[in-house]
Amino acid sequence: QVQLVESGGGVVQPGRSLRLSCAASAFTLSSSSMHWVRQAPGKGLEWVAVMSYDGSNKYYADSVKGRFTISRDTSKNTLYLQMNSLRAEDTAVYHCARGFSGYDCFDIWGQGTMVTVSS
Amino acid sequence: QSVLTQPPSVSGAPGQRVTISCTGSSSNIGAGYDVHWYQLLPGTAPKLLIYGNSNRPSGVPDRFSGSKSGTSASLAITGLQPEDEADYYCQSYDNSLSALYVFGTGTKVTVL
Repeated sequence: QVQLVESGGGVVQPGRSLRLSCAASAFTLSSSSMHWVRQAPGKGLEWVAVMSYDGSNKYYADSVKGRFTISRDTSKNTLYLQMNSLRAEDTAVYHCARGFSGYDCFDIWGQGTMVTVSS
Repeated sequence: QSVLTQPPSVSGAPGQRVTISCTGSSSNIGAGYDVHWYQLLPGTAPKLLIYGNSNRPSGVPDRFSGSKSGTSASLAITGLQPEDEADYYCQSYDNSLSALYVFGTGTKVTVL
């Protein structure tokens, strides 16, 4: 069964770092673009970052550019989001999602992991 | 930072038809990019409901349909069911460089 499972969320102080993981099952990360999308409490969905299927291209939303880094470990079939210099406004549920081939959308999502940035 | 505008809420009785609008601009929907729709139920992973403006992934009931015209798109639910009560988001691609992928503001569908 195609599945994505996120982990690594928690409570962190402003300015600190956190790394999220997204383990993929029943498909290989190198076959699809992979994304991170977040949803702040009571707010809508916000796209955060994408890595192309071959890992050669990475793009970020302006709100996280220079602070967040998307990466993957193909041997573990796991996607990561390294989040540095965290701010209160980064508080959200973070979902990883698979890019749907041929379309600029996301066909498989994980349930998400909660990140709370607070002192 | 939602770029696409949706009504905050819509409601209908079981069996009725409801529609959700999604209005964008010349850098996303109006530029010809496809519109996609997602269903969010509490505690579950978001689900792709409509892709490429009007296509349903396998397993999505045919009571869900999508359309696009100009800088706007719509999601229609015909024969509303209690299990359709959820949040719905539209999404498109954007060429304005601040964010490649943009979402709507979200619409809560309530089944009366």
